[in-house]
Parts: sequence; structure tokens; C-alpha cells
Amino acid sequence: GAVVSQHPSWVICKSGTSVKIECRSLDFQATTMFWYRQFPKQSLMLMATSNEGSKATYEQGVEKDKFLINHASLTLSTLTVTSAHPEDSSFYICSARSSGRGSDTQYFGPGTRLTVL
Amino acid sequence: DAKTTQPTSMDCAEGRAANLPCNHSTISGNEYVYWYRQIHSQGPQYIIHGLKNNETNEMASLIITEDRKSSTLILPHATLRDTAVYYCIVRVAGDTGRRALTFGSGTRLQVQP
Repeated sequence: GAVVSQHPSWVICKSGTSVKIECRSLDFQATTMFWYRQFPKQSLMLMATSNEGSKATYEQGVEKDKFLINHASLTLSTLTVTSAHPEDSSFYICSARSSGRGSDTQYFGPGTRLTVL
Repeated sequence: DAKTTQPTSMDCAEGRAANLPCNHSTISGNEYVYWYRQIHSQGPQYIIHGLKNNETNEMASLIITEDRKSSTLILPHATLRDTAVYYCIVRVAGDTGRRALTFGSGTRLQVQP
């Protein structure tokens, strides 16, 4: 099946620093990737939609200047959390859209746990 | 995308079939039913999807009622590793459906030894 990887799997950083998370589709090309955030005991919340070669579309309430998304190739999207603060601590999950046979499927990465001290 | 309703939690004995129901009474003709699961501290895992015919793969079977207003995900022989939150999601697929999946609360399945 389609595989999506994320790196790093976990990161601890100091408040005020920036953290970059990579999301890669390993065996398929993804023109569209998505970034989600999940707080403890809650469901996944969509942050932004990333289309290859164009600007990301952010969900309401998500600061685009704080969460920088780059989708420079068909297999790589990055999320940079700038000037991270403790309230940004969360589980960040990316997914990549694979299309075919008249339907499409999103495959998810394993997630990145960010802890901001 | 159509709204779905799932039970909050279910238990299943190891080795038995786990039948997870989902109601989607407002589903449209061009909307697919997708099932994902999320094991604790991992990203969601795709299980199966279908439009109107029943589907089966190596993980599970998906039974969709004839009126398409509900479906059941069947794990034929549940194991402890199947303990997870299971999400039923309805959405338009294909090139016209580039929007992301929207996750509800799902069903927390606990497989008991």
C-alpha cells in the first residue's frame, strides 16, 4: 500500500525556536497533501491543505505566518512551526492524497509529537 | 460531506468478529464511505472504502446497505492489535473531491483477551 513518512517522529524544543517537520510520500506522487493537528483525547483537526507548486490553504484560525507550509515537489511537503510556544505542543500528522480508479484515498504519516518547553 | 453517526465505544472478544456500524442517512449519490482507524499515538491508517457495493480486502469487509444510509465495517477475527479508534467518513472522491478528510469522534474499539 501507499506509504507516507514523517520526520522527525518526535521533537522537543525551547520556546521561541522554530521546528521543521517533513512529510514524504514514498511510493506515489501527491499533488495534494494535508496537515492536521491533534491534541490529547481529541480528534484530528485540519490545519491546511498543501498543493504542489502553489500556496497552502489554511483553515480558519490557523496562522499562516506561524505555520509555514512548503510543497516544493510531488513527494515532499514541510511544515515549519515558527517561534514555537508551549501551546503549540501537539501531535502533528500529515497525509497525502493518492488518486486512481475514480476515487481517491488519503494516506497518513505516523505523526510528529512536538513538545515545546 | 454527509454527517456520520457512530457509537462512542464497543468491546469485542479476541478472535471474534468485530462489527462496527455507521449511519450516514444524508449521503449523496457521489459520496464514498471511507473507514480509517487510529491506534494510540499513531497516524490514522486507511482500512477500506466503497461506493455502493460491498468491499473486502486483507484487513476488513465493508457492507453498505442497499439504500446506502448505513454501513458496517467487519474485522473478521479481531486481535488485541485491532484496539483503536475507528472513523467512518463520507465524502466525495475523485478529482472533484480534493478536500481533506474530516474526522469525527469515531468508535473506540477495545478488543478483550
